[in-house]
Amino acid sequence: AQKITQTQPGMFVQEKEAVTLDCTYDTSDPSYGLFWYKQPSSGEMIFLIYQGSYDQQNATEGRYSLNFQKARKSANLVISASQLGDSAMYFCAMSDYDMRFGAGTRLTVKP
Amino acid sequence: GAVVSQHPSRVICKSGTSVKIECRSLDFQATTMFWYRQFPKQSLMLMATSNEGSKATYEQGVEKDKFLINHASLTLSTLTVTSAHPEDSSFYICSATGTGHHYGYTFGSGTRLTVV
Repeated sequence: AQKITQTQPGMFVQEKEAVTLDCTYDTSDPSYGLFWYKQPSSGEMIFLIYQGSYDQQNATEGRYSLNFQKARKSANLVISASQLGDSAMYFCAMSDYDMRFGAGTRLTVKP
Repeated sequence: GAVVSQHPSRVICKSGTSVKIECRSLDFQATTMFWYRQFPKQSLMLMATSNEGSKATYEQGVEKDKFLINHASLTLSTLTVTSAHPEDSSFYICSATGTGHHYGYTFGSGTRLTVV
């Protein structure tokens, strides 16, 4: 069975600084996908970045990068140059068929 | 990009009544639909998975007779909360995928259900 762990309930970062949100996972399936989503107070799920289990390089999407360490089963999200609008809940998710989520991290960007 | 339209966005219903939530894929064929429930300050919990034309597969602890899922076409899936009670008040959100499972999950915008 899948398991996704986010150990940081809340994180604070100064505007324009970088922040890393942690995520570890566990699965017995060799083929899986790792995702990060942002959820603002409106509730919508905003896709940020994807990493496939067979991808050799770490995924990057603008200010977002995924630090994928397969042997350690970790998929940390790095947000560079934080902006006030980055304040939201962030969820790590994994799919090997269905998609399941970690507990989430609430990020607050301070001006 | 792929879009899933979810309606209604908010609904208030009386205890004991039923509520139907719709998710429509607008520009792709949703072969699989996932339904999630999210209580305040918690994560998304998978309730059930449905494939077009098949019965839904429910997660352990989710009452299939209470949460009726229909996925009769490749563009429409519905979740009906039957005999709703205040403890069913939650945020319900669907996610659809077409061909392939690892990429291309498209979420609806969610439905906030309040049972009074």
